[in-house]
Amino acid sequence: NAGVMQNPRHLVRRRGQEARLRCSPMKGHSHVYWYRQLPEEGLKFMVYLQKENIIDESGMPKERFSAEFPKEGPSILRIQQVVRGDSAAYFCASSPPGTVGNTIYFGEGSWLTVV
Amino acid sequence: GIQVEQSPPDLILQEGANSTLRCNFSDSVNNLQWFHQNPWGQLINLFYIPSGTKQNGRLSATTVATERYSLLYISSSQTTDSGVYFCAVGQGTGNQFYFGTGTSLTVIP
Repeated sequence: NAGVMQNPRHLVRRRGQEARLRCSPMKGHSHVYWYRQLPEEGLKFMVYLQKENIIDESGMPKERFSAEFPKEGPSILRIQQVVRGDSAAYFCASSPPGTVGNTIYFGEGSWLTVV
Repeated sequence: GIQVEQSPPDLILQEGANSTLRCNFSDSVNNLQWFHQNPWGQLINLFYIPSGTKQNGRLSATTVATERYSLLYISSSQTTDSGVYFCAVGQGTGNQFYFGTGTSLTVIP
């Protein structure tokens, strides 16, 4: 059973470009979460999605950031017009359907560097 | 949101030593997990422990939910235990977690 798959692992973008990060949850998992980790800090929740639904986006910046989890295919975190402050590790996690309290499993992260 | 404080922020141990990492949180929670982030950045689940005590090999964890803290015990530490240990808590209907800033552990041979 493959784990949470993220790609690309490393991404370099120039200021003003777009970054797209992809996440395929573990098999059987229908809940996806995106977290951001700035250097030397803990992870910060960004968004919680189920298939075709955004459940909680309270941690998403209001501008330039968007996320989706379509019926088919991976979840996508999209950052438009990137700035240097967007440089961070972006982690995706997934959990199975059901009640609160399920263990979540993280992918290996996508490291975005904005130059 | 919930405030999560971890202590100590940094810890250096000789191989074979024991240690206790602490996580304090500011509100009642219905989910608490401990993670280990290895030097390559991977996040590994250690424990799902909103209350009670669990053990897994050299690691064990205890959460006292009524007093809003959790402890992670590492016994007979090994160099492969090095990395950052995060406590993460949740209180919602999903698995949105609030992470502490971590304890950075270095185990030296």
